[in-house]
Amino acid sequence: GESVGLHLPTLSVQEGDNSIINCAYSNSASDYFIWYKQESGKGPQFIIDIRSNMDKRQGQRVTVLLNKTVKHLSLQIAATQPGDSAVYFCAENSNEKLTFGTGTRLTIIP
Amino acid sequence: EPEVTQTPSHQVTQMGQEVILRCVPISNHLYFYWYRQILGQKVEFLVSFYNNEISEKSEIFDDQFSVERPDGSNFTLKIRSTKLEDSAMYFCASSDGLAGGPGETQYFGPGTRLLVL
Repeated sequence: GESVGLHLPTLSVQEGDNSIINCAYSNSASDYFIWYKQESGKGPQFIIDIRSNMDKRQGQRVTVLLNKTVKHLSLQIAATQPGDSAVYFCAENSNEKLTFGTGTRLTIIP
Repeated sequence: EPEVTQTPSHQVTQMGQEVILRCVPISNHLYFYWYRQILGQKVEFLVSFYNNEISEKSEIFDDQFSVERPDGSNFTLKIRSTKLEDSAMYFCASSDGLAGGPGETQYFGPGTRLLVL
């Protein structure tokens, strides 16, 4: 079946450095993707989204890149802070439901 | 900032018992969802609800599950006869638009941790 997944289950980054979290998807018809952040014991928190008619979108300290050719998207976090430590999920939104990837745990090293 | 709230935060129940998980979506939202997350696994879609009826459900959402919007503010998930494998974190979410349209972003509540013994 169709799936959404992440490349690395864990990632450690020095505070102040940039981080890149990757995600692959299999459904070529997917047209809307979202990155969520989940802190321990909390629900997924919306970070940024992107539609398939775009290949890049920027927010505050975050950038999402979408490569439809290879069905890959990434989340870049600039100048990481301790509060960025969390699990990050990419999700595909279609037919009113979100299909989540497996998540990458990002740890910011002070 | 408006947010989705859920009660209780934790629920422990015996196998075979009924549980009702409660959610108060963001007030102007029209679309409501339940997801679950088994410990250490990814978040899984259960059901979406719009205009007082289920619009989409997953294979997980079998006859033991039901949803209801009993009044203008609450949205509930009922599990009739809980099984051990129902132990998970249950998240409610809401949005103010259909997928592909404006306002489709789903906002999640903090979750209810359900433990079935």
